Amino acid sequence: AQSVTQLGSHVSVSEGALVLLRCNYSSSVPPYLFWYVQYPNQGLQLLLKYTTGATLVKGINGFEAEFKKSETSFHLTKPSAHMSDAAEYFCAVTSSGGYNKLIFGAGTRLAVHP
Amino acid sequence: DAGVIQSPRHEVTEMGQEVTLRCKPISGHNSLFWYRQTMMRGLELLIYFNNNVPIDDSGMPEDRFSAKMPNASFSTLKIQPSEPRDSAVYFCASSSGHQETQYFGPGTRLLVL
Repeated sequence: AQSVTQLGSHVSVSEGALVLLRCNYSSSVPPYLFWYVQYPNQGLQLLLKYTTGATLVKGINGFEAEFKKSETSFHLTKPSAHMSDAAEYFCAVTSSGGYNKLIFGAGTRLAVHP
Repeated sequence: DAGVIQSPRHEVTEMGQEVTLRCKPISGHNSLFWYRQTMMRGLELLIYFNNNVPIDDSGMPEDRFSAKMPNASFSTLKIQPSEPRDSAVYFCASSSGHQETQYFGPGTRLLVL
C-alpha cells in the first residue's frame, strides 16, 4: 500500500526566507509524486510532478522538488518566500501502474510573515 | 479552456434531505474523480470513473452515497439521506488519461444541519 507523510502541519516563514515543506512516501512500486497547492476556498492546483527522468523537478511560482529514492522523500522548496505563497500544500503519491489513484498527505499550511 | 466546473459552490441543507452535487469535467478528459475533504480525514477519493464507467468506488462511505456519469461531460454525486457527518468540501477532478495529471474543480462546500 502507498502512503504519504508530511512533516509539520503548519510552517511559518518570513518573506524572503527559504521555504522547505517535507514529504516522505511509502510505495512498493516506482512512484509518481505530486505537489498540489490549495488557496483558501479554492480547489487544488498542481505545482509540480515527478514521474520518471530527472529527479529535480521545477514547478510553477518558483517551487521545485527533488525525488530522493534512497530517502523516500520528495521535499518542496522555494528559495525566497512571497506573501502570496501562503496556502495549504499537499504532497501526493500514485503508482506507475494501474490508474492514478492519488494518495494525499495531510497537508502543510504555510504562513508567510512580512 | 474552462476548467472543471462544479455546482453548487455552497449547499446548506437539513439532515435527511437529498443532496445532489454536479460536475462538468474538462472537455476531452475521460477520467473523473470525486473527492471529499474534511479536517479529520483530509482528502479522500470517493469514486473514479473512466470513460463514464465507475472503476473504483471503494471510497464511497456507505449506501447513502451514489454517483453517476451519464455522459462524458456530466457527473453527479448524490447523498440520500444526508447526515451532519457528511458536511465537507466535495471536489471533482478530471484527467485526460488514467496516468495523467488530475485537474480539480473549486469544490462544493456542504453543510448538513
